Amino acid sequence: DQQVKQNSPSLSVQEGRISILNCDYTNSMFDYFLWYKKYPAEGPTFLISISSIKDKNEDGRFTVFLNKSAKHLSLHIVPSQPGDSAVYFCAASGSRNYGGSQGNLIFGKGTKLSVKP
Amino acid sequence: KAGVTQTPRYLIKTRGQQVTLSCSPISGHRSVSWYQQTPGQGLQFLFEYFSETQRNKGNFPGRFSGRQFSNSRSEMNVSTLELGDSALYLCASSLGTDMWEAFFGQGTRLTVV
Repeated sequence: DQQVKQNSPSLSVQEGRISILNCDYTNSMFDYFLWYKKYPAEGPTFLISISSIKDKNEDGRFTVFLNKSAKHLSLHIVPSQPGDSAVYFCAASGSRNYGGSQGNLIFGKGTKLSVKP
Repeated sequence: KAGVTQTPRYLIKTRGQQVTLSCSPISGHRSVSWYQQTPGQGLQFLFEYFSETQRNKGNFPGRFSGRQFSNSRSEMNVSTLELGDSALYLCASSLGTDMWEAFFGQGTRLTVV
């Protein structure tokens, strides 16, 4: 059973517009969430993270929102650029108190973002 | 600052053989984790090592094993290779303490024929 779900396999956005990538999770023990970007044949690149004690974290064009009651998080990219075209993975980790560890990230299956010029 | 280095980048092995993959983490990072990426299953956690000890383990058979050395470098071994082991194997390093961000290497593409 998937604990981290990215229900949209792909998303197409026009350059300059906002890209919104969504992620849902089922395990209420998750308390840290991360977004990664991945190009083919390369390892994932860390983008931004958020702790469960926050509901928003911003870094340049990237903002992550967390809605704990809905077990939902989203990544906003504004404005979108063609170089943002890649697969985006949402990942979650649980508290060490509940058997989680920093290395044990549970990943969604990814959303392929295409930003058209 | 050097990133996470994985060797080799590509590997072709025959069913039944064994393989060892290597990962050098970012300097100062004490946690090394291994992941398997396949088209069908996505990124799946194999195991994590911290200060030479396995701290967490995913749901993979015992054919998959690893170790970490005193300099934090890690190796992953797969014995009795099966066709289904063909995948991109990714190593990630992190501080292992309060910062949860993990940084990935470029991966080793293993093909089992």
